[in-house]
Amino acid sequence: DAGVTQSPTHLIKTRGQQVTLRCSPKSGHDTVSWYQQALGQGPQFIFQYYEEEERQRGNFPDRFSGHQFPNYSSELNVNALLLGDSALYLCASNRLGEERTGELFFGEGSRLTVL
Amino acid sequence: LAKTTQPISMDSYEGQEVNITCSHNNIATNDYITWYQQFPSQGPRFIIQGYKTKVTNEVASLFIPADRKSSTLSLPRVSLSDTAVYYCLVGDFQGSGTYKYIFGTGTRLKVLA
Repeated sequence: DAGVTQSPTHLIKTRGQQVTLRCSPKSGHDTVSWYQQALGQGPQFIFQYYEEEERQRGNFPDRFSGHQFPNYSSELNVNALLLGDSALYLCASNRLGEERTGELFFGEGSRLTVL
Repeated sequence: LAKTTQPISMDSYEGQEVNITCSHNNIATNDYITWYQQFPSQGPRFIIQGYKTKVTNEVASLFIPADRKSSTLSLPRVSLSDTAVYYCLVGDFQGSGTYKYIFGTGTRLKVLA
């Protein structure tokens, strides 16, 4: 049973560029959340997708956008990259209705470095 | 907004029991308490979750007092491989059945030989 998979694992971009990160949820899961984790900090909630719609959003600018596909996979897009966007981007999945228990399954993350 | 407070760091020796306490004074009636473990450059991994009293699984125990305003993660007989950051989470109900989980800064546990 495949867990949450993310790609790419590492990437380097320059300021002003755009990046797309991808996530496939754990089998049987339909809800995907994205988190940003700066070095030495806890993961910060970006947004959550269900049924191809953004259900809730954290305190991130509109440069951060996402998409969920019919197969429940998801993309995170970041435009006009800033140095401060350098972080580990984590994808987490769960099954709708089981959110209350808080058991999220995380991928290994995509490490983005902005130069 | 459900928020948690944990010690920033702890040191322990191999073979000892480690207890990490988390404060969540404004926990809501329906909220569960969940703990995660994270190693460097990896995603957090679910450890244990509970609602009240005591929960035990193969890796940890979780103690929750009656008022549920705090919880304690207990790791029995830690080893060097338990060196990690441990996060305590409480769900923040957003309405329409949706929850948002807010991570704090976590507790950095260092296990010494």
